[in-house]
Amino acid sequence: KAGVTQTPRYLIKTRGQQVTLSCSPISGHRSVSWYQQTPGQGLQFLFEYFSETQRNKGNFPGRFSGRQFSNSRSEMNVSTLELGDSALYLCASSLGQGSGELFFGEGSRLTVL
Amino acid sequence: SQQGEEDPQALSIQEGENATMNCSYKTSINNLQWYRQNSGRGLVHLILIRSNEREKHSGRLRVTLDTSKKSSSLLITASRAADTASYFCAKEEDSSYKLIFGSGTRLLVRP
Repeated sequence: KAGVTQTPRYLIKTRGQQVTLSCSPISGHRSVSWYQQTPGQGLQFLFEYFSETQRNKGNFPGRFSGRQFSNSRSEMNVSTLELGDSALYLCASSLGQGSGELFFGEGSRLTVL
Repeated sequence: SQQGEEDPQALSIQEGENATMNCSYKTSINNLQWYRQNSGRGLVHLILIRSNEREKHSGRLRVTLDTSKKSSSLLITASRAADTASYFCAKEEDSSYKLIFGSGTRLLVRP
């Protein structure tokens, strides 16, 4: 069974630009979560989607948004990039039917110059 | 901070020794999970312990949970160089659909 796939793996943007990151969950998983990891703040929850519905959202500004498609694939978008948005963005999938383990992708490393 | 606290922040041991990492949290939990992360990579799930469980084993891993003290510990026995990684605890609050990660422990196992 293929794991969680995130694209792109690495990207460099400049301040003010916007970026879209993609995540393909494990087949059969209906929940997708996104986390931001930085050296200063650690791992922080961004949002979680299940069957195209956002069930929870972290404390991030409105510049951070996401969505989930009918095939459970998910995208997150960050608009008007700031230097502080440089981070490893991790996507995780799960069956989503209750508490349980998350399966993480390798992440998308975003550098904002 | 919402994050739990983990200690130590860093741990260096010799191959074959045991490694113990601790995690504390502040609010009630549904379950507590431990994950491993190799440098710059994704996280790998190690073990999940539910709030009504006190101890759980998986291979060389042993996790304990003390809900009265709001703390958990991860013990890795007979460590190997390949265990070198960062280890994170993550708590799930009731019906939150999110994990709150601790600050992590960086483990170095010297050959």
